[in-house]
Amino acid sequence: QKEVEQNSGPLSVPEGAIASLNCTYSDRVSQSFFWYRQYSGKSPELIMSIYSNGDKEDGRFTAQLNKASQYVSLLIRDSQPSDSATYLCAALNYGGSQGNLIFGKGTKLSVKP
Amino acid sequence: GAGVSQSPSNKVTEKGKDVELRCDPISGHTALYWYRQSLGQGLEFLIYFQGNSAPDKSGLPSDRFSAERTGGSVSTLTIQRTQQEDSAVYLCASSPRAGTSIYEQYFGPGTRLTVT
Repeated sequence: QKEVEQNSGPLSVPEGAIASLNCTYSDRVSQSFFWYRQYSGKSPELIMSIYSNGDKEDGRFTAQLNKASQYVSLLIRDSQPSDSATYLCAALNYGGSQGNLIFGKGTKLSVKP
Repeated sequence: GAGVSQSPSNKVTEKGKDVELRCDPISGHTALYWYRQSLGQGLEFLIYFQGNSAPDKSGLPSDRFSAERTGGSVSTLTIQRTQQEDSAVYLCASSPRAGTSIYEQYFGPGTRLTVT
């Protein structure tokens, strides 16, 4: 299993719906996770971090971490066309200097008006 | 406040030439990272600087790649004898490594490198 895995999508949801983005991880990463949004041709933009089991909410975004099942998810409520982007899941590297992030390949989200 | 800045935004070079890419992190951030993103590929870690500690170079793909960070702030990534497979977007990020945002990394706009 790769260290951080995401379904590449595309995930298509209608405007106003809840978009659910999922990510699984291996034992080779630490349990500190980050969600980034990346618009085409732009650099990644941090949305949320989550370190503890359970839910963390910020506006329309909710991050969920389930350590027992080794998955982390991002819910986007009331999806808007402007949310259309690639969403990257990242984990803090467990080994070495514990400095860098290990990224999944990203899930492309399309929100249809 | 000002975010991470990178220069140049685009660089086209001929195979075999050396290039230097520059990153200016967010003021007060002690950690600085270089990643690259190739077309269709995920973000790949290259090197990490934290304060005055020796850098973590474990992600550098070959000895043609090197980086330095002067005065704990600005960093330069150097690629010698560029190859076509070096074509990618090179992204710099910085992190406070303190406080509640301790591990959060904030990315600059990137440098798109094209090797012809």
